[in-house]
Amino acid sequence: KNEVEQSPQNLTAQEGEFITINCSYSVGISALHWLQQHPGGGIVSLFMLSSGKKKHGRLIATINIQEKHSSLHITASHPRDSAVYICAVISNFGNEKLTFGTGTRLTIIP
Amino acid sequence: DSGVTQTPKHLITATGQRVTLRCSPRSGDLSVYWYQQSLDQGLQFLIQYYNGEERAKGNILERFSAQQFPDLHSELNLSSLELGDSALYFCASSVVGGPYNSPLHFGNGTRLTVT
Repeated sequence: KNEVEQSPQNLTAQEGEFITINCSYSVGISALHWLQQHPGGGIVSLFMLSSGKKKHGRLIATINIQEKHSSLHITASHPRDSAVYICAVISNFGNEKLTFGTGTRLTIIP
Repeated sequence: DSGVTQTPKHLITATGQRVTLRCSPRSGDLSVYWYQQSLDQGLQFLIQYYNGEERAKGNILERFSAQQFPDLHSELNLSSLELGDSALYFCASSVVGGPYNSPLHFGNGTRLTVT
């Protein structure tokens, strides 16, 4: 079993739909990152969080440390949101190793 | 634009050869991280440097080595290349010492193809 599991692996939705991508991890963490990888391959850091909730535009990330779970939400989804979304965790404070989930491929249909 | 520059963008080479990938971090960032993304393994952390010193090591093969120079740019050296080394290699940088307290800024990657 991977330390970081994401669901779903693939998600196709209509433009305008509310999107939720889930990330579960099996170890204690000091922080969690959400990354976006576009079809061209480039990676953008969306959020880094260790507790609570963060919002940036139409994107919202939440984390529940006790339940070892994080969610990434996209409101009013748009075709340009089509990308692979990757969750990554730092499992031990002071250990800078990021462990990555396998990603969720999101496709938004106009 | 993340401010992180990776060169070259593409590299095609033969098995047994040696290549060097280069990364210039965002201005002001002291940490540089190297990651490998292959089709079967996904993204994996290779190694991190902070202000010239090795800070953390991940799943980096003995055939691979890296260093960070006084001007903070970093190089990843891959030798005795095998077909399985074909992957996207990403460099990322951050201001402070670790991804537990600062966001990462990724370069666009170097796509290595070993034939």
